Amino acid sequence: GAVVSQHPSWVICKSGTSVKIECRSLDFQATTMFWYRQFPKQSLMLMATSNEGSKATYEQGVEKDKFLINHASLTLSTLTVTSAHPEDSSFYICSARDRQAGGLYEQYFGPGTRLTVT
Amino acid sequence: LAKTTQPISMDSYEGQEVNITCSHNNIATNDYITWYQQFPSQGPRFIIQGYKTKVTNEVASLFIPADRKSSTLSLPRVSLSDTAVYYCLGSLNTDKLIFGTGTRLQVFP
Repeated sequence: GAVVSQHPSWVICKSGTSVKIECRSLDFQATTMFWYRQFPKQSLMLMATSNEGSKATYEQGVEKDKFLINHASLTLSTLTVTSAHPEDSSFYICSARDRQAGGLYEQYFGPGTRLTVT
Repeated sequence: LAKTTQPISMDSYEGQEVNITCSHNNIATNDYITWYQQFPSQGPRFIIQGYKTKVTNEVASLFIPADRKSSTLSLPRVSLSDTAVYYCLGSLNTDKLIFGTGTRLQVFP
């Protein structure tokens, strides 16, 4: 299957700083990527839908000025957590959608990025 | 997007068949049913997807009755490495995925 990578796999930052997380589709082009956040022992929560060449669509309750998303190319989307605080510490996961033979779409998930804000 | 309900957790032993049932009473006509597996500190991994009847691949089977209000993921002869969280999702194939609570499967030796 297709591969989605994330970088970094883990990051520790100080409160008040910004952190950028990259999501890449390695062997396919993805016009749409998604960003999720997952707290310990909880399910994935969709944060936003990232569309290549246009503004991201944020889910209700997600601050777009705090979680900046840029989808500048068909293989790269970035999530920047601005002015991070300890409560932003979480596991951030991206996914990319690829169209399969027969017309169906399949979503491939990245390995996740563990963010710890101290 | 269909709301799904699954058991919070299940226990099994190695070598047994595990069936996880998911309810999706309000599934729309065009929705597909997809199951993902997630290990701790990893992204979800696609297991299987179906629309109706039965779908089988190398790792699992998916049973969907005619009314499509539920589905059952069947894992044949589980091993310790199948210990994970399993998510059932119902959505348009082209739509965003909204994850429910998932089922935490624990396989014992």
